[in-house]
Amino acid sequence: ETGVTQSPTHLIKTRGQQVTLRCSSQSGHNTVSWYQQALGQGPQFIFQYYREEENGRGNFPPRFSGLQFPNYSSELNVNALELDDSALYLCASSWDRQNTGELFFGEGSRLTVL
Amino acid sequence: AQTVTQSQPEMSVQEAETVTLSCTYDTSENNYYLFWYKQPPSRQMILVIRQEAYKQQNATENRFSVNFQKAAKSFSLKISDSQLGDTAMYFCAFMNTWGAQKLVFGQGTRLTINP
Repeated sequence: ETGVTQSPTHLIKTRGQQVTLRCSSQSGHNTVSWYQQALGQGPQFIFQYYREEENGRGNFPPRFSGLQFPNYSSELNVNALELDDSALYLCASSWDRQNTGELFFGEGSRLTVL
Repeated sequence: AQTVTQSQPEMSVQEAETVTLSCTYDTSENNYYLFWYKQPPSRQMILVIRQEAYKQQNATENRFSVNFQKAAKSFSLKISDSQLGDTAMYFCAFMNTWGAQKLVFGQGTRLTINP
């Protein structure tokens, strides 16, 4: 059973650019969530996808968007990057959208915006 | 909106000692889930323990146990016989039983276990 994998692990962008981060869910999981973790802070919920549809969103602007594919892998896209977007982006997957609890996290993609 | 507060930014204990991490939360819900997650330097969040609010019995997982005080909205984590591998950031988190599987995290406590 493979765990949640994310790519790339590190990347550097400049202000105004666009970035795409990728996530492969744990085998059998059909729900994926994305979190932003600024340095020294707890993660903040960006959004969740269930069977290719967004079914929950946190307090993030529309320039943060996502996709979930038929194989349940996912992308996080951020347009018009700002310096404050520098953070660790975590992907988490789970069995279904019922709130029974446990999420399985990847090791994250660390984004630096210069 | 729910909030989670961890008032101890850092803690440090000797190996084999017992340590307790504090967490308080705020919600108007009657049923919900509470979690403690561990984030080692590898960055991956790992579930340590989970508590369902409608269960009065405190959850335990080997050396890890919680003290869940629903009326006080308190959820502390006790680590017994601490080990060097317990060194990590620890996050307390809240999740509703409805809607998106949204975890609301606290600010974290950096725990260091010294040899």
